[in-house]
Amino acid sequence: DAGVTQSPTHLIKTRGQQVTLRCSPKSGHDTVSWYQQALGQGPQFIFQYYEEEERQRGNFPDRFSGHQFPNYSSELNVNALLLGDSALYLCASSPWVSGANVLTFGAGSRLTVL
Amino acid sequence: GQQLNQSPQSMFIQEGEDVSMNCTSSSIFNTWLWYKQEPGEGPVLLIALYKAGELTSNGRLTAQFGITRKDSFLNISASIPSDVGIYFCAGENAGGTSYGKLTFGQGTILTVHP
Repeated sequence: DAGVTQSPTHLIKTRGQQVTLRCSPKSGHDTVSWYQQALGQGPQFIFQYYEEEERQRGNFPDRFSGHQFPNYSSELNVNALLLGDSALYLCASSPWVSGANVLTFGAGSRLTVL
Repeated sequence: GQQLNQSPQSMFIQEGEDVSMNCTSSSIFNTWLWYKQEPGEGPVLLIALYKAGELTSNGRLTAQFGITRKDSFLNISASIPSDVGIYFCAGENAGGTSYGKLTFGQGTILTVHP
């Protein structure tokens, strides 16, 4: 049973560019959350998607946007990249309205902005 | 963004020693969680705590949910080399439709010398 899969695993962009990261949730999960983990820090919640709508959002600017597809997979888009956007981006999936004990994280996409 | 205060930042111990780490917050959480993250992987849940004062064990791991709901600790007994990794605490205020939005600590890097 595949867990949460993310792509790409690594990518390098330059300031001002745009990036799209992808996530396929664990089988049976319909809710996807995105986290940003800067080097040496804990993950920070970006937003959560369910039924193709953003349900919760953390303290991130509008440059960060997302999308969820009918098959529950999700994309994270970041526009006008800044050096400070360099981080590991983690996707986590769960059934809707379930405790964190069933939240499953992917291995992440490591973004480097030059 | 808000993060929990986790200490110590790092620990270097001998195999067989016991380990203790803790996490404090200025805000109340109704769920406390402890995760382990290894290189190239996402966080993996170790223990989830749901009730103030709760003490829960998972093998050699024991964690407690502080009575004030603003703190938690994790103990690892008789450490082994495979305990190496970064340990994160996380808090959640689950309720209504608000699930899966975790606030993480900065992490404790654990190194175990054989």
